[in-house]
Amino acid sequence: DVKVTQSSRYLVKRTGEKVFLECVQDMDHENMFWYRQDPGLGLRLIYFSYDVKMKEKGDIPEGYSVSREKKERFSLILESASTNQTSMYLCASRKSSGLVYNEQFFGPGTRLTVL
Amino acid sequence: AQKITQTQPGMFVQEKEAVTLDCTYDTSDQSYGLFWYKQPSSGEMIFLIYQGSYDEQNATEGRYSLNFQKARKSANLVISASQLGDSAMYFCAMSGGIYNTDKLIFGTGTRLQVFP
Repeated sequence: DVKVTQSSRYLVKRTGEKVFLECVQDMDHENMFWYRQDPGLGLRLIYFSYDVKMKEKGDIPEGYSVSREKKERFSLILESASTNQTSMYLCASRKSSGLVYNEQFFGPGTRLTVL
Repeated sequence: AQKITQTQPGMFVQEKEAVTLDCTYDTSDQSYGLFWYKQPSSGEMIFLIYQGSYDEQNATEGRYSLNFQKARKSANLVISASQLGDSAMYFCAMSGGIYNTDKLIFGTGTRLQVFP
């Protein structure tokens, strides 16, 4: 079974802090994703990585950056956390196939609160 | 641009009854995929069912079936014989089209509550 893990389930940070959210997958997937989930807005894509050191902006990249130095690990970085970044963050991975069938496998999520 | 619409913020159903969760989509692509995910209160997204745009039969997975009406651009999830454990958020999603197969576009979700 695919396993996607995230470094923290709950995280509380202060405004202005630099925040790292880590995601690791164990199935050698090429593609990895970071979403944020807010009530009434569903899941919105922040960043996407299609391979090591490759990244692409999603729909809401402002205020975030990412790092993918190893295939299994994809990090989301909040350079200077703000209260409007309080949210649920979900990481996902999938095997690159070029097919429309592209199930993504999700981690358990990190609930981030910025005070 | 692709779009997924889920118009039901919340639904209630009695245990053992069937329930339909609505999903409509918009795309100009001929080849696309439709997915349903379940998110319990624990937060993890669980894949339930997939329907390809060229699939002639409606997808089924156990108690889940997908009522795919291509002309109406709808992909409703039907849960038969609801159980208390079905209480969760449900998200409809669509793959990004033949030139953008890597990404999923999600709807805003429907919260289902199953009562005894």
